[in-house]
Amino acid sequence: DQQVKQNSPSLSVQEGRISILNCDYTNSMFDYFLWYKKYPAEGPTFLISISSIKDKNEDGRFTVFLNKSAKHLSLHIVPSQPGDSAVYFCAASGSHTDKLIFGTGTRLQVFP
Amino acid sequence: DAGVTQSPTHLIKTRGQQVTLRCSPKSGHDTVSWYQQALGQGPQFIFQYYEEEERQRGNFPDRFSGHQFPNYSSELNVNALLLGDSALYLCASSLGSQPEQYFGPGTRLTVT
Repeated sequence: DQQVKQNSPSLSVQEGRISILNCDYTNSMFDYFLWYKKYPAEGPTFLISISSIKDKNEDGRFTVFLNKSAKHLSLHIVPSQPGDSAVYFCAASGSHTDKLIFGTGTRLQVFP
Repeated sequence: DAGVTQSPTHLIKTRGQQVTLRCSPKSGHDTVSWYQQALGQGPQFIFQYYEEEERQRGNFPDRFSGHQFPNYSSELNVNALLLGDSALYLCASSLGSQPEQYFGPGTRLTVT
């Protein structure tokens, strides 16, 4: 039972354009969502998070949007840079649990 | 500011053997979680330690056990290794019940 889903295994975007990574969840008990970036041979790096009491959180080039009614969140990267090329994981947690539940990841490639 | 560190980086073991992985949390953090990441998948929660006690456990058999020391560092032990235990093992640290977890570089375990 995959509670957090990232349905796009890969995404290719030109440098300078917007990258949009999507994530869906099924458990309405989740109340906190996080995005991580992972380079090969490294651990996931925390990027940005959002609480369910908000619908948007912004940090520099990264913005996360949350649509609770649709159980959907997205990460926007503007402008995309070649160094953003990595695997991006969406994760969720809830007040009922201390663990993070991850999606399967989306590989982003930013080309010149 | 030291981040999360893990040792060893790589490990090769034979089926039936036992292995111990080690983790030191980020400075100031008191909570350690362990995750298993299989190829092409997102990290899967194994368990979390806080105040030297296992606070929560994921869907992993009793062959997986852990420990947290008074200095907040932690060990993950896996007994009777199976081929399917081959994976990247990630340690993450956090402060109390804060949802943001910060990951180490991982230990790549190969079971032959």
